[in-house]
Amino acid sequence: QKEVEQDPGPLSVPEGAIVSLNCTYSNSAFQYFMWYRQYSRKGPELLMYTYSSGNKEDGRFTAQVDKSSKYISLFIRDSQPSDSATYLCAMSAREGGADGLTFGKGTHLIIQP
Amino acid sequence: NAGVMQNPRHLVRRRGQEARLRCSPMKGHSHVYWYRQLPEEGLKFMVYLQKENIIDESGMPKERFSAEFPKEGPSILRIQQVVRGDSAAYFCASSPDQGFLNTEAFFGQGTRLTVV
Repeated sequence: QKEVEQDPGPLSVPEGAIVSLNCTYSNSAFQYFMWYRQYSRKGPELLMYTYSSGNKEDGRFTAQVDKSSKYISLFIRDSQPSDSATYLCAMSAREGGADGLTFGKGTHLIIQP
Repeated sequence: NAGVMQNPRHLVRRRGQEARLRCSPMKGHSHVYWYRQLPEEGLKFMVYLQKENIIDESGMPKERFSAEFPKEGPSILRIQQVVRGDSAAYFCASSPDQGFLNTEAFFGQGTRLTVV
């Protein structure tokens, strides 16, 4: 079993829809959770960062962590064509991040105009 | 303030040659991380460096790969005697301190290595 599982998609939804992206993980030591967005041929850019369980909202994005189920989610409201990208979940056990981040494979999201 | 600069953006090497990938961190950043992204795979941590020190190289292959971050100049990821399996996108990230998980850590655009 991989440490982090993420459905690669592609996930195609119409513009304006609510998008739900998810990852599951097996390492109970993970406490810090991130979502990155990566456009084709570009580097990842950080969207959301959360610690432990709970929700965090930033504009159209909401990150949700359920440590008891080892399950994290990213919701995108009012999705737009510019949201079309690959979304990577990442996590770490140490606050300093010196152990590096463990990434999922990424979900390819397509927002249809 | 320029972002994390990686060069070259694209690199083609024949099997057996050496590849040198460079990463200039953001101004004021003294911590550098290297990641590799194989086709259809997520990013895999390779090495974490501070100026003149390797802090964690647990993700580096044991042979042919090395990394450095000298007092002056960019961080270098060096791959000797490249093989086709080394073909991947190599990303560098930098942060101002050990807190890679803070929002001030940024990735570069990557170097795409193709071994022919």
